[in-house]
Order: sequence, then C-alpha cells, then structure tokens
Amino acid sequence: GEDVEQSLFLSVREGDSSVINCTYTDSSSTYLYWYKQEPGAGLQLLTYIFSNMDMKQDQRLTVLLNKKDKHLSLRIADTQTGDSAIYFCAERGGGNKLTFGTGTQLKVEL
Amino acid sequence: DGGITQSPKYLFRKEGQNVTLSCEQNLNHDAMYWYRQDPGQGLRLIYYSQIVNDFQKGDIAEGYSVSREKKESFPLTVTSAQKNPTAFYLCASSSRTGSSNQPQHFGDGTRLSIL
Repeated sequence: GEDVEQSLFLSVREGDSSVINCTYTDSSSTYLYWYKQEPGAGLQLLTYIFSNMDMKQDQRLTVLLNKKDKHLSLRIADTQTGDSAIYFCAERGGGNKLTFGTGTQLKVEL
Repeated sequence: DGGITQSPKYLFRKEGQNVTLSCEQNLNHDAMYWYRQDPGQGLRLIYYSQIVNDFQKGDIAEGYSVSREKKESFPLTVTSAQKNPTAFYLCASSSRTGSSNQPQHFGDGTRLSIL
C-alpha cells in the first residue's frame, strides 16, 4: 500500500529557514499536502501542490516536488516561534483518500 | 463562521460502553471523514462518506460505526468492540469538483480516554 515517511524532529533557531522533508511511494499521487497541527488542535491546511508542478511558493512557504524521486519538501523562511508545531505531509492517491506521514515536530529556539 | 465542529472536546468511556463523537459542518461539503491519531503516528482513516446515506470503511474500521443521514453531520460511534479506543479523533470534510475531492479541512478533534 501507500507509504509516506517523514523525520520525527527538527530544531531550528528563530529567523533561520526550516526545511521539512517527506518521501512517498504512490506513483499515482495526484496532490500532495502540507498540514500544520498545534498542540491539542486539529490540522490546518498550509498548502498543497499538484503532481505536475515542481514548485509552489506562498509567502514564507515554498513547496518543492521531485516526482522522479517521490520527494516533497516544505521550506519555511524566517522561522518564528509561532511556527513551532507538528507538520504533516499527505498524499492523495486512488479513491481520493489521503495517506499521512507520521508528522515532523518543529521546534523553534530563540 | 463556516467550519467543522467536533464535540465534545474530551470524552471518557467506561469498559463495555459505546460512545458517540459528533461532527457537524456548515461548509456544504459533500465528503466527510473520520481519522484516529495516536502519539508519534500519522492519521489513520476510520470511515469516510462521499455522499449522504453512503459510507465506506477506511483502514481501521473495526470497532467503529458511522451514519450519514444528513449532509452536515457524520457521527462516529466507538463501540465496546474497540479494545484500545484511547486516541485523538479528527473529523474532516471536503467539497467535490466533478469526480475529484478538494483539500480536506479538519475540526479541532475529540480526545477519548478510558476510565
């Protein structure tokens, strides 16, 4: 079945850039998503990219997609303490169902 | 404001008891989903519904049941057959364009614990 993998933790200093990586196995993925989850809350959709795109930029967020390597990344420029959260990568494959990664805990230090 | 409302925020279940988690959306979305989240794991799909009066099992449906009698409501019942129900439960919904679902939007979750 489909599998989505992410590293569990990332620590950065305030003002630096953060890069969160994700790999997936389903070559039929149509859309790939990034969600943010703050403690005790639901998931907030940050951005998404269609599988025929290489890059999408939205303010401080840049998504890069390498479809050949099935690798997705989320770059957060000028990371702030409010960016501390868990970030989930998800891919949409057949049947319009989402498969989520395990989430990357981003910690922003002063 | 439009959104997805899950209630209650916290829920406690006794042994052998069924409990029902509520999910209501006023976004006019056709599709609704239930996920389970355990610490250190991603979200796993329990059930989903693309249209009223129809729903399908997800990856971990055993011990759960759902109904979809109204477009805006998709309640989840955690039955006594679910032996490890302690988890964070998330409801989501999405609209449809043609045969394709748009991004899923999530409620704030219900945390279920065993007494």
